[in-house]
Amino acid sequence: EDQVTQSPEALRLQEGESSSLNCSYTVSGLRGLFWYRQDPGKGPEFLFTLYSAGEEKEKERLKATLTKKESFLHITAPKPEDSATYLCAVQDYTNAGKSTFGDGTTLTVKP
Amino acid sequence: KAGVTQTPRYLIKTRGQQVTLSCSPISGHRSVSWYQQTPGQGLQFLFEYFSETQRNKGNFPGRFSGRQFSNSRSEMNVSTLELGDSALYLCASRLPETGELFFGEGSRLTVL
Repeated sequence: EDQVTQSPEALRLQEGESSSLNCSYTVSGLRGLFWYRQDPGKGPEFLFTLYSAGEEKEKERLKATLTKKESFLHITAPKPEDSATYLCAVQDYTNAGKSTFGDGTTLTVKP
Repeated sequence: KAGVTQTPRYLIKTRGQQVTLSCSPISGHRSVSWYQQTPGQGLQFLFEYFSETQRNKGNFPGRFSGRQFSNSRSEMNVSTLELGDSALYLCASRLPETGELFFGEGSRLTVL
């Protein structure tokens, strides 16, 4: 069974203080690893898809990377508006329609 | 392009009742999946529909069911509600050839 573990559970940063969120996963055959952002009271918003080890994707202050066992979401010089819960999910080839999610990292960026 | 629309946004039911939630996917998206989100369990997969057929089902009891119509709109039903069914129910749509999910804002169900 696919498993996703995210750490830390919560992260508090000062504005401008860069850091990384971790997503460790086990999957029989990785079809894709996904990062989402979720604001309170809203549904998750898609950020990135990574397909193979070594792949990197960037969007504004966010950069996602992938190895064979984990993914990192690097946040460079965060701003208060980056405060949200960041979710990691995997899909495998045998169950392409099902995403397995981690419990998320709640990021708070203080001005 | 309109996003995924879920109705109702909030509802309160009592134990033993049943509830039906509705989801309209993004135009052109024929795959619709449902997730339950609770503080203790996180996001849990319920089921996925594609072209009116259920393709995947998560580990939920038979009280949880769904269906998809020919216009790709989907409904999920929970019968004989229990207190533990209180949760945010999220619907997501996607293009079959890609994996990324586009979520609605959810239906928050409270069971008293």
